[in-house]
Amino acid sequence: QVQLVQSGAEVKKPGASVKVSCKASGYTFTSNAMHWVRQAPGQRPEWMGWINVGNGNTKYSQKFQGRVTISWDTSASTAYMELRSLRSEDTAVYYCARGGSTTTWDFDYWGQGTLVTVSS
Amino acid sequence: DIQMTQSPSSLSASVGDRVTVTCRASQSISSLLNWYQQKPGKGPKLLIYGASSLPSGVPPRFSGSGSGTDFTLTISSLQPEDFATYYCQQGYSSPFTFGGGTKVEIK
Repeated sequence: QVQLVQSGAEVKKPGASVKVSCKASGYTFTSNAMHWVRQAPGQRPEWMGWINVGNGNTKYSQKFQGRVTISWDTSASTAYMELRSLRSEDTAVYYCARGGSTTTWDFDYWGQGTLVTVSS
Repeated sequence: DIQMTQSPSSLSASVGDRVTVTCRASQSISSLLNWYQQKPGKGPKLLIYGASSLPSGVPPRFSGSGSGTDFTLTISSLQPEDFATYYCQQGYSSPFTFGGGTKVEIK
């Protein structure tokens, strides 16, 4: 069965960086895109960007452009999301989500989430 | 960016009720609309993709309809495990945006 297992919770100071990992299993890692979505407390989910794990191409939301990097390690079946220059508004649960159809751009499996708290 | 608006933001219903949630896009998105269910402390779960298609394992009491700018999620007979928050998400253009959510609570 498809599983996405994320790294544990992080507490960071403003200005720092965080890197969250997402280990995939139960399917061929290079067959599906991987997206990153965050959700601040009580807010709607917010899409950050995605990576074509087959060729490494990435696309980011303009909101995060310049601060986020999504990467991958095929040998480890793991995707990563690094967010830099953290501020308090970045406090949220960060999810990796497998891309389903590239027609409907749905997210068919999600990780358990990683809480990132930004506080001085 | 395409704005997604859901209504209502919350509703109270009883087990067995028929429940309808609506989602409106700020521009036409064809049928590129997906629905998710989220329970407290968990990641969202895909319920409907492409406006009306059910992934395997999703009970048939869930259905979706619509195209263009107006979409509907219907639960034909609400079950205890359906009390959750529901989000729509457009897959027409990036950034892929979500609606504000509809919380379905027990009456």
